[in-house]
Amino acid sequence: AQSVSQHNHHVILSEAASLELGCNYSYGGTVNLFWYVQYPGQHLQLLLKYFSGDPLVKGIKGFEAEFIKSKFSFNLRKPSVQWSDTAEYFCAVRGGGKLIFGQGTELSVKP
Amino acid sequence: DTAVSQTPKYLVTQMGNDKSIKCEQNLGHDTMYWYKQDSKKFLKIMFSYNNKELIINETVPNRFSPKSPDKAHLNLHINSLELGDSAVYFCASRLKLAGVHNEQFFGPGTRLTVL
Repeated sequence: AQSVSQHNHHVILSEAASLELGCNYSYGGTVNLFWYVQYPGQHLQLLLKYFSGDPLVKGIKGFEAEFIKSKFSFNLRKPSVQWSDTAEYFCAVRGGGKLIFGQGTELSVKP
Repeated sequence: DTAVSQTPKYLVTQMGNDKSIKCEQNLGHDTMYWYKQDSKKFLKIMFSYNNKELIINETVPNRFSPKSPDKAHLNLHINSLELGDSAVYFCASRLKLAGVHNEQFFGPGTRLTVL
């Protein structure tokens, strides 16, 4: 069965710090990879996605992620976070027709 | 606005009651989903319908019954509500085309509180 693991439960950063959120998955076949963001009290919004091609994908709001197939990883990065990035971040993997989410990482950015 | 919408946004009810949550999408998608987000923010798929046909049915108690009257609607009916049903329920939709990759769009969520 496929699974998704996010390394950090809660990350606290100061504004302008760099961000990297880890995501690893287990699935033997072809996968589609996603990062979603959930701002406080809101629904999930897509940050970025990887289907094929260039393993470095750029998303909205300055976020990017790199798919490393050999490591089964899809880490999310942002060079300089802002207070408005405070949110819950979910990595998700689609394989075999189902979208499986990681447990989420809460990001708190201090002004 | 093109979107996935859910009603109600908040639902507070007593144990043992029966309640429904409605979901509608006007994106022209053919596949819809229900997810449950628990108090620890963990998101888990419950059901998926494609063209009104049930295609994913996770290990969900049979007190939960999804109904899809048409491709644009997927409702969730819950019988005999229990305390453990308290959660945020998200609806999502996607256009599922062979050979085409795309993402799911999520609704705003329904926060269900069972007292």
